[in-house]
Amino acid sequence: NAGVTQTPKFQVLKTGQSMTLQCAQDMNHEYMSWYRQDPGMGLRLIHYSVGAGITDQGEVPNGYNVSRSTTEDFPLRLLSAAPSQTSVYFCASSETVNTEAFFGQGTRLTVV
Amino acid sequence: RKEVEQDPGPFNVPEGATVAFNCTYSNSASQSFFWYRQDCRKEPKLLMSVYSSGNEDGRFTAQLNRASQYISLLIRDSKLSDSATYLCVVTGWGKLIFGQGTELSVKP
Repeated sequence: NAGVTQTPKFQVLKTGQSMTLQCAQDMNHEYMSWYRQDPGMGLRLIHYSVGAGITDQGEVPNGYNVSRSTTEDFPLRLLSAAPSQTSVYFCASSETVNTEAFFGQGTRLTVV
Repeated sequence: RKEVEQDPGPFNVPEGATVAFNCTYSNSASQSFFWYRQDCRKEPKLLMSVYSSGNEDGRFTAQLNRASQYISLLIRDSKLSDSATYLCVVTGWGKLIFGQGTELSVKP
């Protein structure tokens, strides 16, 4: 019962470094999305995908890239990390945008 | 204006109390509505979907008023284990949008 798997769970980056947060789901869900959560801000949508080969921007896309080459995987790339990207990142998947979303356990990222 | 807005928290209530959370949304074309629960530093999980006719799941009752673009969650007979952050979630323009969450703390 893997569900949604996010890696890594914790990461410390130096300003200017790049990295990829991995997200994989084994439920054959078409809809996948990435959120960041900051204190008092709730979850804010970074990017989302309605299926393989299709991605779109959310509320806070700057500084992040995504791709969706397969149904299972939806990696999030930080191009040049900044302290403002210190946050908890969650990946989610669902059959469609209108059905229950299942979340990964989150990645706690600190940029110093 | 935020797309989804919730009551500011935190709510501190004694065990056995009834507590209500409110949420408003801005997109009149929104199709689906949910309440998620998030325990401290963990991933959100679905508590219940919200239907136009209103729906109940044990001690939890959710209501939707499309005309007023308003969603509510009522928790009866609060338990210590209900302590968490409750997130109002709405779909709109192909996106799943979260409110900022309302923290509930149930005390003995």
